[in-house]
Amino acid sequence: DAGVIQSPRHEVTEMGQEVTLRCKPISGHNSLFWYRQTMMRGLELLIYFNNNVPIDDSGMPEDRFSAKMPNASFSTLKIQPSEPRDSAVYFCASSYGGQLSNQPQHFGDGTRLSIL
Amino acid sequence: GDSVTQMEGPVTLSEEAFLTINCTYTATGYPSLFWYVQYPGEGLQLLLKATKADDKGSNKGFEATYRKETTSFHLEKGSVQVSDSAVYFCALSDQGGNQFYFGTGTSLTVIP
Repeated sequence: DAGVIQSPRHEVTEMGQEVTLRCKPISGHNSLFWYRQTMMRGLELLIYFNNNVPIDDSGMPEDRFSAKMPNASFSTLKIQPSEPRDSAVYFCASSYGGQLSNQPQHFGDGTRLSIL
Repeated sequence: GDSVTQMEGPVTLSEEAFLTINCTYTATGYPSLFWYVQYPGEGLQLLLKATKADDKGSNKGFEATYRKETTSFHLEKGSVQVSDSAVYFCALSDQGGNQFYFGTGTSLTVIP
């Protein structure tokens, strides 16, 4: 079975550029999560979708960050304009949430983002 | 609100030593509890889980028991190997399955 697929695996770009990270969740999962991981802050939840609807975006750092989920099989996380402090590993995860609380999250391999 | 607290790292052990990584939680109702492992350069992988009190999750020689009386879910392994070197995250899913909380992670290094 295909797991959560993220692209690109690595991204290096100059500050001020727009960055788009992509995620394909596991088929049948109805919850999708975007995380950011850094040495300083550890793993931070940025935004969480359930049935394609954003439920909690309180972790999104600022207006430069936006996330969309146009359908059940695709999500994007966009940073515009990017800044060096956005450098991190960004993970997407999916699960079957709702009433089945014993379902774990499944993580992609992450996108390692470097903003120069 | 719900939360997870796990022991600070880093932890360094010799091969074949006994491992314990403490995890305690705060939650209303009956959450599900998880341990995830992250190997260098990879995403988080589910290691084990427990969905109700007194359940024991186990995988790859690791075990953790869901203790409601002490609100704990400590990770243990009787004999660690160099290949167990990784970061370990304790996590909680609330009773409604709508919120997921991760601990801060504990880095484990096993030396030969």
